[in-house]
Amino acid sequence: GAGVSQSPRYKVAKRGQDVALRCDPISGHVSLFWYQQALGQGPEFLTYFQNEAQLDKSGLPSDRFFAERPEGSVSTLKIQRTQQEDSAVYLCASSLRETNSYEQYFGPGTRLTVT
Amino acid sequence: DQQVKQNSPSLSVQEGRISILNCDYTNSMFDYFLWYKKYPAEGPTFLISISSIKDKNEDGRFTVFLNKSAKHLSLHIVPSQPGDSAVYFCAASAGGAGAQKLVFGQGTRLTINP
Repeated sequence: GAGVSQSPRYKVAKRGQDVALRCDPISGHVSLFWYQQALGQGPEFLTYFQNEAQLDKSGLPSDRFFAERPEGSVSTLKIQRTQQEDSAVYLCASSLRETNSYEQYFGPGTRLTVT
Repeated sequence: DQQVKQNSPSLSVQEGRISILNCDYTNSMFDYFLWYKKYPAEGPTFLISISSIKDKNEDGRFTVFLNKSAKHLSLHIVPSQPGDSAVYFCAASAGGAGAQKLVFGQGTRLTINP
């Protein structure tokens, strides 16, 4: 079956531009997570959705970052007025369960480069 | 503060020998631990996990050991194969209601030499 897909795979943005990153989770997966991975580091949690509800956005680094999942499936992470420090790989993960959703399935990521 | 630490950025092991990857954590609220494997240009892939109520979990060539008193876990791969060459991430999660976000270490790059 299809895994988690993300698009675009690579995005180059000029500083100050807005970007939108898309995640298609595994069909039927209730939980959806976004992580940010800087070069040479492990992924860091950004935000979590249970169906369409955003239950945790404690990891979003600033109010320039916004995520949505309006119909409980596809999710979009939007970054406004991109800065160079936003350059990273953005990973989306989904999990079947609402609770104890430890085993998360990751997409390939979107590599964002801000110039 | 880094709640999950992998102090070895890289490890090189001969094919057929045992690979041991280590991970330390500081948050005593963590109750579930996972290892993920990552190839270049791909997302992390779940490998094996362990609950804090256990001290060992085995799955084929992979065994994870948990020492709660030392706040330390390790992943053993035996025998090591060339296809095991990848970056390995240790991750931890705290319990409670709702979904559990993962806290990752920095990763260890494992190279298996033929």
